[in-house]
Amino acid sequence: KAGVTQTPRYLIKTRGQQVTLSCSPISGHRSVSWYQQTPGQGLQFLFEYFSETQRNKGNFPGRFSGRQFSNSRSEMNVSTLELGDSALYLCASKLTGGAEYGYTFGSGTRLTVV
Amino acid sequence: AQRVTQPEKLLSVFKGAPVELKCNYSYSGSPELFWYVQYSRQRLQLLLRHISRESIKGFTADLNKGETSFHLKKPFAQEEDSAMYYCALSGRGAQKLVFGQGTRLTINP
Repeated sequence: KAGVTQTPRYLIKTRGQQVTLSCSPISGHRSVSWYQQTPGQGLQFLFEYFSETQRNKGNFPGRFSGRQFSNSRSEMNVSTLELGDSALYLCASKLTGGAEYGYTFGSGTRLTVV
Repeated sequence: AQRVTQPEKLLSVFKGAPVELKCNYSYSGSPELFWYVQYSRQRLQLLLRHISRESIKGFTADLNKGETSFHLKKPFAQEEDSAMYYCALSGRGAQKLVFGQGTRLTINP
């Protein structure tokens, strides 16, 4: 059974550009969440999608957005990149229910903004 | 406000010694608590959750609502336990996890 797949693994972008990250959840998982991981702030929740609807959003500026497709695959987009957006972006999926049912995480996309 | 505090950024113990990684939380309702682990060059993975009261790889964690703590314990550390450990909290039915800053555990031979 394939795990959560994130592409690409690494990205280098220039300030001001935009970027799109992709996440394919475990087959049958309909909930997809995104987290940002940095040495200073640790793991922070970005947003969660279920059945193509955003159900919850973290405290990030509007430059961070996402969407989910009918096959549960998800993308997140960051526009007008800033140096501080450099981070490991993690995607996680789960079957249904609340977070208490446990998430499976992907390996992440490491974004470097120069 | 939801908050998870892991007071130790680094913890180093010798193989065979007991291990305790501390986690304190702040939450107004009934929280669900988890421990996640990230081994070197591997993805973040669920180690255990309080709701299932299980022991995984010899680790246990007890939710103490009076002290708002969820410390992770293992009686005899093994070298393969070296990893980054994150305590996380969720509200029942909530759709997000709130993580602590993590504790890097190193087991010395």
